Amino acid sequence: GESVGLHLPTLSVQEGDNSIINCAYSNSASDYFIWYKQESGKGPQFIIDIRSNMDKRQGQRVTVLLNKTVKHLSLQIAATQPGDSAVYFCAENAESPVIQGAQKLVFGQGTRLTINP
Amino acid sequence: DTEVTQTPKHLVMGMTNKKSLKCEQHMGHRAMYWYKQKAKKPPELMFVYSYEKLSINESVPSRFSPECPNSSLLNLHLHALQPEDSALYLCASSPRGGTGPSGSSYNEQFFGPGTRLTVL
Repeated sequence: GESVGLHLPTLSVQEGDNSIINCAYSNSASDYFIWYKQESGKGPQFIIDIRSNMDKRQGQRVTVLLNKTVKHLSLQIAATQPGDSAVYFCAENAESPVIQGAQKLVFGQGTRLTINP
Repeated sequence: DTEVTQTPKHLVMGMTNKKSLKCEQHMGHRAMYWYKQKAKKPPELMFVYSYEKLSINESVPSRFSPECPNSSLLNLHLHALQPEDSALYLCASSPRGGTGPSGSSYNEQFFGPGTRLTVL
């Protein structure tokens, strides 16, 4: 069935270290994935996305890796900063873009990232 | 203007009240979404509008009634809600197609800050 999950509900890292947040998905037909960051009291903020025809995509201080063989997605944050503290969600496009471009995203359970000084 | 706005930020209502949540975007996006998010849970899709037409209703109870008056506005009308409907209600929008700001050719969704709803 359609489900997207995360391996760990919480993750603590030292400031300046790299963070790796993992996500497992179950729908092998999913062709698009997004990572969102949600700070307390705010809506989800887009971080980075990746299509299923790619294995890796890099942004500013963030890298997303996609392993379709084991249906695994990860978000790497380099040199973690206090402002990176938030809940991180992966989201999966559960269907191909349908009906004039609207998408249906399914979110994972989220990982709370805490930065230790 | 590159953001999705939502009003009100907070809303407290009784079970017999009628209220509306509003969402607005001026990015020219033609798909708009309502999500419900309970505490410590991920957003759950409620409705999708594409070109001002309702395209997805995730079996949401009829006490929630969406409306899309034009391509920039999305409303969620609330009536006879239950305490368990208390949650953060998020609006999102996405471009129909083409290339988004990230350079991806798929349509990332941009979220508003949400309306924190409490039903007494």
